[in-house]
Amino acid sequence: AQKVTQAQTEISVVEKEDVTLDCVYETRDTTYYLFWYKQPPSGELVFLIRRNSFDEQNEISGRYSWNFQKSTSSFNFTITASQVVDSAVYFCALSEARLTGGGNKLTFGTGTQLKVEL
Amino acid sequence: DVKVTQSSRYLVKRTGEKVFLECVQDMDHENMFWYRQDPGLGLRLIYFSYDVKMKEKGDIPEGYSVSREKKERFSLILESASTNQTSMYLCASSLSAGGGMASYEQYFGPGTRLTVT
Repeated sequence: AQKVTQAQTEISVVEKEDVTLDCVYETRDTTYYLFWYKQPPSGELVFLIRRNSFDEQNEISGRYSWNFQKSTSSFNFTITASQVVDSAVYFCALSEARLTGGGNKLTFGTGTQLKVEL
Repeated sequence: DVKVTQSSRYLVKRTGEKVFLECVQDMDHENMFWYRQDPGLGLRLIYFSYDVKMKEKGDIPEGYSVSREKKERFSLILESASTNQTSMYLCASSLSAGGGMASYEQYFGPGTRLTVT
C-alpha cells in the first residue's frame, strides 16, 4: 500500500525566512509520481509540481524549490524568503502509474499548515 | 485553464436525507474523483471514475455512491446522510494516461462544505 507522511503538522515562520516542508513516501511501485499542492484559506487546492520517479533532478521555480531523493524516499519542498501570501496548507501526494484503466489515484499526506507572519 | 465547478460551496442537510453533490469539469478530462477532507486526516478518496459509466471505489466508499452519465459531470450521492458525513467534499479531474504509464496532476474544484445535523 502507498503511504505519504508529512510529519510537520504546523510550521510558523517570520516573513523572509526560508522554510522546508518535509514529505516521506512509501510505495512498492518502481514507476510513480509525486506532487505538491497548496491549499490557501479560500480552500481550493492548487497544483504546484509533478515529478516522476525516474527524474531525480531538483527543481526550482522562483522562490520554490523541490528536492527529490529516492534513496531516502523523500520529496521536500523549500520556500525561500517566505511571504505572508505563502500561508496555506501544503499537501504532498503520491500516485501509481497505471498502464490500463486510468484513474491514477492520489494518496495524500495529512498536510502541513504553514503560517508566515510579519 | 482547467475549470472544475461544484454545485454548492455550503450545504446543510438533515440526518437521513438523500444528498447530491455535483461536479462539472470543462477540460474533457477522462478521470474524475471525489475526496473528503477532514482535519488531521488529509484528503481521502471516496470514489473515482475513469470513463463515462465507469467507477471504482476509493479508500472510504461506505455510505456513498456515484454517477457519471456524461464525461464532464460526476455526482456524489449520500444515500442517507449521517452526522459523520459532515465534511469538506472536493471534486477533481485529470487527464488519462491513455496507453502509457503516466499520472497527471489533478485539478480541484472549490469544495463543498457539507453539514449534516
